[in-house]
Amino acid sequence: DTAVSQTPKYLVTQMGNDKSIKCEQNLGHDTMYWYKQDSKKFLKIMFSYNNKELIINETVPNRFSPKSPDKAHLNLHINSLELGDSAVYFCASSQALGLVQFFGPGTRLTVL
Amino acid sequence: DQQVKQNSPSLSVQEGRISILNCDYTNSMFDYFLWYKKYPAEGPTFLISISSIKDKNEDGRFTVFLNKSAKHLSLHIVPSQPGDSAVYFCAASAGTYKYIFGTGTRLKVLA
Repeated sequence: DTAVSQTPKYLVTQMGNDKSIKCEQNLGHDTMYWYKQDSKKFLKIMFSYNNKELIINETVPNRFSPKSPDKAHLNLHINSLELGDSAVYFCASSQALGLVQFFGPGTRLTVL
Repeated sequence: DQQVKQNSPSLSVQEGRISILNCDYTNSMFDYFLWYKKYPAEGPTFLISISSIKDKNEDGRFTVFLNKSAKHLSLHIVPSQPGDSAVYFCAASAGTYKYIFGTGTRLKVLA
């Protein structure tokens, strides 16, 4: 009964490929987020969806596209992967915007 | 432009003693602060929060202090336990939906 789950946990791929990371929350939350933690350990927000509507869209290359099929899911699709995309990606959810966020376990993406 | 800074990358403390983790910020508009704890291979877990209208918030062994004039907050853990060994992140928000995170401090509690 994991609250926020992500798949896969590890993803190793070649430059130029397209990949997706899936996120699901069973908390009944309205808001979901994607964060990127880079090699310097900065945890930076990328996107936020509230009730399937995009609310926060930070300066992220448009190779990254979030997709929210319903309130419980927020998937992250990445096109034309680059070496600099290697990082740990965390999904999170909160009951509403601005409230405490619950994080998934992270997906470690390695681009070779 | 790093608005939230945790200048100590690591800290070691003896079991039973007090752990003090520090966080500095530069944006005076920040009005809500959170501390998260992270174990390896897991996502961050919410620990404690404080609003800018308060200067202290306590929850069991965890207390967060906020000094607005110094733009500084600290997390006190007392007594420290081996299970507290983790990376601790502070995060701040300026009345928006976006939290800015620090880079974390790795706490090691020695038995």
